[in-house]
Amino acid sequence: QQPVQSPQAVILREGEDAVINCSSSKALYSVHWYRQKHGEAPVFLMILLKGGEQKGHEKISASFNEKKQQSSLYLTASQLSYSGTYFCGTESGSARQLTFGSGTQLTVLP
Amino acid sequence: NAGVTQTPKFRILKIGQSMTLQCTQDMNHNYMYWYRQDPGMGLKLIYYSVGAGITDKGEVPNGYNVSRSTTEDFPLRLELAAPSQTSVYFCASTGGKRIDTDTQYFGPGTRLTVL
Repeated sequence: QQPVQSPQAVILREGEDAVINCSSSKALYSVHWYRQKHGEAPVFLMILLKGGEQKGHEKISASFNEKKQQSSLYLTASQLSYSGTYFCGTESGSARQLTFGSGTQLTVLP
Repeated sequence: NAGVTQTPKFRILKIGQSMTLQCTQDMNHNYMYWYRQDPGMGLKLIYYSVGAGITDKGEVPNGYNVSRSTTEDFPLRLELAAPSQTSVYFCASTGGKRIDTDTQYFGPGTRLTVL
């Protein structure tokens, strides 16, 4: 079953913060976050493993709450380059398959 | 490393025509995947492969076929194109052995229109 992402869309001014959530009804091995610019392929941001860890990548970080089967992506002090659609991909089965959410469209305005 | 490459970049088909979308990776990855992405939507898994000679259906396999004769190549075949197959198709691959670092790497995509 597809994970649920929220919000569907968010508009920010440069320098503002945002949180994107990804929830699954299945027990997960891992959550993978990607960003996709219009007309391009998804680009990998980070992977979270079960165990409730938190990871960071520049001003983008994420957490994974194993009890709730929920991951959150945190974007701090957003930059124009952060604009795009963010997808979570959840891994719960075999063959390292990912099931993707429907995406969160992030727009950062100057 | 070129990573994951896909050809063609764009294609227009007429209803009922057939075509093969090519996907090649040079990272010696065992796992390969085909997704389709409809406008404004997420990625849906069509087929996947865990190694040469082994393929399996994903969420939306109807109307498609795949083969995996080598580690590097994973072509996707559309036999009788229908307007519902208008989409962007992405191929992806992963080594799959390191759960803490191995993620899927995507090719640039093929934009297909069926008229």
